[in-house]
Amino acid sequence: NAGVMQNPRHLVRRRGQEARLRCSPMKGHSHVYWYRQLPEEGLKFMVYLQKENIIDESGMPKERFSAEFPKEGPSILRIQQVVRGDSAAYFCASSPIAADTQYFGPGTRLTVL
Amino acid sequence: QKEVEQDPGPLSVPEGAIVSLNCTYSNSAFQYFMWYRQYSRKGPELLMYTYSSGNKEDGRFTAQVDKSSKYISLFIRDSQPSDSATYLCAIRSNSGNEKLTFGTGTRLTIIP
Repeated sequence: NAGVMQNPRHLVRRRGQEARLRCSPMKGHSHVYWYRQLPEEGLKFMVYLQKENIIDESGMPKERFSAEFPKEGPSILRIQQVVRGDSAAYFCASSPIAADTQYFGPGTRLTVL
Repeated sequence: QKEVEQDPGPLSVPEGAIVSLNCTYSNSAFQYFMWYRQYSRKGPELLMYTYSSGNKEDGRFTAQVDKSSKYISLFIRDSQPSDSATYLCAIRSNSGNEKLTFGTGTRLTIIP
């Protein structure tokens, strides 16, 4: 049973470009969570999605960031017009039901030049 | 004040020693407590999950929760070099709010 998959594992973008991060949850999991880990900091919650619905986006920056989890396909975290401060590791987690254990993927490391 | 406080370390101990890792939290609404282990450049891996005060043991690992003091601990017995990693405490409130609130993590090195 494959775990949570994220791609790409490493992503380099220049300032002003767009970054798209993908997350495929574990089989049978319909709840997806995105977290960001800045250097020397803990993970910070960004957004919680179920299929086709955003449940909690209280941790998402108000501008340039968006997330979706379509009926078919992976969850996408999209960052428009990236800035150097967006450089971080972005982790996706999934769970089979709400209020259950969250299993993390390997992360996508975004570097903005 | 941060919702979850964790000493970032680094912490170095000799192989075979008992390791104690701790977090404090400020919000009494937090009801579920987890410890994750994160190796360098990897994703967090769940080690322990508990929701009540007291101790929970799993092999060499013991998680301890004291809700009255808002204090949680992870003990590692007979520590091994393979235990060298960053340990993150994570806390969640009661149902209806699924996000995890993490401590900053403690970097642990076990010296052979």
